[in-house]
Amino acid sequence: SQQGEEDPQALSIQEGENATMNCSYKTSINNLQWYRQNSGRGLVHLILIRSNEREKHSGRLRVTLDTSKKSSSLLITASRAADTASYFCATVPDNYGQNFVFGPGTRLSVLP
Amino acid sequence: EAQVTQNPRYLITVTGKKLTVTCSQNMNHEYMSWYRQDPGLGLRQIYYSMNVEVTDKGDVPEGYKVSRKEKRNFPLILESPSPNQTSLYFCASSSAGYSGSYEQYFGPGTRLTVT
Repeated sequence: SQQGEEDPQALSIQEGENATMNCSYKTSINNLQWYRQNSGRGLVHLILIRSNEREKHSGRLRVTLDTSKKSSSLLITASRAADTASYFCATVPDNYGQNFVFGPGTRLSVLP
Repeated sequence: EAQVTQNPRYLITVTGKKLTVTCSQNMNHEYMSWYRQDPGLGLRQIYYSMNVEVTDKGDVPEGYKVSRKEKRNFPLILESPSPNQTSLYFCASSSAGYSGSYEQYFGPGTRLTVT
């Protein structure tokens, strides 16, 4: 079952602008992870946020998690053309299951 | 270099001809997983394995088999491939504990076409 749902499906911005992507999910989670995928390639892990955390930073990335709303957001600041990719959120349930559930992704285009 | 390898990278086959896609990781990870990626559907988990001889179904296991006889290898088997299994397949591994999963490392993908 698809739990993570990213929003928007596609986003186009100019270099230097900030990009915000959202993820909603349905069931309780242990953690939520964001991944990036360059066209047709394997996914690359960006950041993990646990259910007891509200915000995390990594370089130009900022992730927030609101477990009451079952939602997360990924902010990329000062975007670059190299940030053009698809971004996916993945949730891990809190029932000690290990089945990652990915959303359909947000396609980000950063125009030079 | 820490990596997940998959073979083959590209495969065109015919309906009903058994095939195996291999996956190997050199990071001593306990957790391994297979996904398929289809346009508009994101990644869907096929099977995963918590450790040697421990496997479990993901969201879309029908038509697939897996085995985990060694920690480093997790092959995906299609006993009788059908055209609806045409997809991009990814293997991933992770150092995972029962308190929660950690980041996954993905292989480069295998593009499978079944005619």
